[in-house]
Amino acid sequence: DTEVTQTPKHLVMGMTNKKSLKCEQHMGHRAMYWYKQKAKKPPELMFVYSYEKLSINESVPSRFSPECPNSSLLNLHLHALQPEDSALYLCASSQDPGPGETQYFGPGTRLLVL
Amino acid sequence: GENVEQHPSTLSVQEGDSAVIKCTYSDSASNYFPWYKQELGKRPQLIIDIRSNVGEKKDQRIAVTLNKTAKHFSLHITETQPEDSAVYFCAARSWDDMRFGAGTRLTVKP
Repeated sequence: DTEVTQTPKHLVMGMTNKKSLKCEQHMGHRAMYWYKQKAKKPPELMFVYSYEKLSINESVPSRFSPECPNSSLLNLHLHALQPEDSALYLCASSQDPGPGETQYFGPGTRLLVL
Repeated sequence: GENVEQHPSTLSVQEGDSAVIKCTYSDSASNYFPWYKQELGKRPQLIIDIRSNVGEKKDQRIAVTLNKTAKHFSLHITETQPEDSAVYFCAARSWDDMRFGAGTRLTVKP
């Protein structure tokens, strides 16, 4: 299995809703990442998990809450989002968290906040 | 992290011509430079990467060059085909931080 999978593919939520995005990989990768990508913009790093521990939080608002239940799974819990949070949320993984490691992206979850 | 500059923002070439996209970075700790291709509505896909101990790498029609002294790296696509049309992102990575360039929209006209 050489893929990173993400669910759901699309999500529409209101500003008072609570939802979760899920990411899964079975490549034995020990680093996982959340990125946010707005239309016609590059991906922006949000969180990095190394060996199931949060190692980087790029000043992301607390309405985004990551969780890494095990080495294969990464969640992003969403609560009280704003319309400007609408974007493509990409998960990625790499073999190790080191600087020379290739990151492989999942297909993303397209989120619309109404 | 620091910025990655990417040029041009759009590039249109005739099928069979070459395409060159250039990036510069400012963080001297960067030592890994991947290039991603992203088609409309799809995930970024790695097409080639280069590490700082290498100056050039080639994979069929795609090549990347790196000048660490000048802090710039380039993507070269030869014999372009319509299916090469996409947005291309360069990136520079130092430890856990990966920064992307703004992207280049490449259009290959048949």
